[in-house]
Amino acid sequence: GAGVSQSPSNKVTEKGKDVELRCDPISGHTALYWYRQSLGQGLEFLIYFQGNSAPDKSGLPSDRFSAERTGGSVSTLTIQRTQQEDSAVYLCASSRTQTGIHEQFFGPGTRLTVL
Amino acid sequence: SQKIEQNSEALNIQEGKTATLTCNYTNYSPAYLQWYRQDPGRGPVFLLLIRENEKEKRKERLKVTFDTTLKQSLFHITASQPADSATYLCALAMNSGYSTLTFGKGTMLLVSP
Repeated sequence: GAGVSQSPSNKVTEKGKDVELRCDPISGHTALYWYRQSLGQGLEFLIYFQGNSAPDKSGLPSDRFSAERTGGSVSTLTIQRTQQEDSAVYLCASSRTQTGIHEQFFGPGTRLTVL
Repeated sequence: SQKIEQNSEALNIQEGKTATLTCNYTNYSPAYLQWYRQDPGRGPVFLLLIRENEKEKRKERLKVTFDTTLKQSLFHITASQPADSATYLCALAMNSGYSTLTFGKGTMLLVSP
């Protein structure tokens, strides 16, 4: 079956612009995660969605970052007024349930470059 | 907060040898630990999970150990092949219920033919 998909695969933007990154999780997966991976760094947790529960936003680095998940499926990560330090690969993952004991399935990522 | 340490230097080994990667953590012992493989330009792919009450888990040529006394997990690839070359990430979850994963920075493995 189809895996997790993300779009766009690459995004180049100018400092100060807003960007939207999209994630399509695996059908039926109730948990969805966003991570950020900078060069030479590990995966940094950003936000987590589980069903209809309030999302865990504890990893968002600033109020310029926000995310939505519509209909328990597709998610959009929005970065407002982008800064150069926002340049990174943004990864989305989904898993079957909220218990993190289940493996996470990752998308290919969106490489964001802020000029 | 939990800190995870993985060897930042790449591990170079000869084909056919056993590769051993280390994941050390500080503070509290996690409820379970996962290992992922990441190839350049791609998202991580799940390999193995080991629970806190398990000492060892195997899957084909892969073996993971978990020592809560040493606060360490070892990841072994036996009879390594050039196709095993990738970055390997360990990830910890603090409890078996709702829990996000905390990832290490990963160790790059290079297997030479």
